[in-house]
Amino acid sequence: QKEVEQNSGPLSVPEGAIASLNCTYSDRGSQSFFWYRQYSGKSPELIMFIYSNGDKEDGRFTAQLNKASQYVSLLIRDSQPSDSATYLCAVNKSNYQLIWGAGTKLIIKP
Amino acid sequence: DAGITQSPRHKVTETGTPVTLRCHQTENHRYMYWYRQDPGHGLRLIHYSYGVKDTDKGEVSDGYSVSRSKTEDFLLTLESATSSQTSVYFCAISGGDRIGYEQYFGPGTRLTVT
Repeated sequence: QKEVEQNSGPLSVPEGAIASLNCTYSDRGSQSFFWYRQYSGKSPELIMFIYSNGDKEDGRFTAQLNKASQYVSLLIRDSQPSDSATYLCAVNKSNYQLIWGAGTKLIIKP
Repeated sequence: DAGITQSPRHKVTETGTPVTLRCHQTENHRYMYWYRQDPGHGLRLIHYSYGVKDTDKGEVSDGYSVSRSKTEDFLLTLESATSSQTSVYFCAISGGDRIGYEQYFGPGTRLTVT
């Protein structure tokens, strides 16, 4: 079992709809969770982090954390073609190391 | 990110030659990392540093060495490049005065070993 798992996709979503990206992790001791977006040929960029159970909203993005079930998700509302990218989930291994999922490719169809 | 630069951005080299990649930060962050990214594997940690002259191995460290003589610079060296080291290399930083240890990435170096 991989430490951080994501569906590789591609996940195809119509423009204007909600895109839902999921990530599961194996270490119950993990405390910090991150979502990164990576456009083709570019470096990963941080879009959200979450530490506490529940939801955290930032503009069109909502991160959801459920530690009991060991999953974290990212919702993107009103999806735009510019949201098409690969989304990486990362979970802390220690205070200064992250474990990375392989990423989910998201395609927003106009 | 403007606070992290990598050089060179692209490099083509021959098998058996030494190669050094440089990461430079202006953020004064304590932690620095070298990753490689290959299709189907995601980001894999090569080496990391938790301070000047303090480094440790990641999950794919064989064939790589690092050095950090100043807070702002972290060097990755391929002692004798092999075709399996063809990849995109990313430097990342974290720490400073922020909690949570989120990482910020440089623009990457595309290395091709022929």
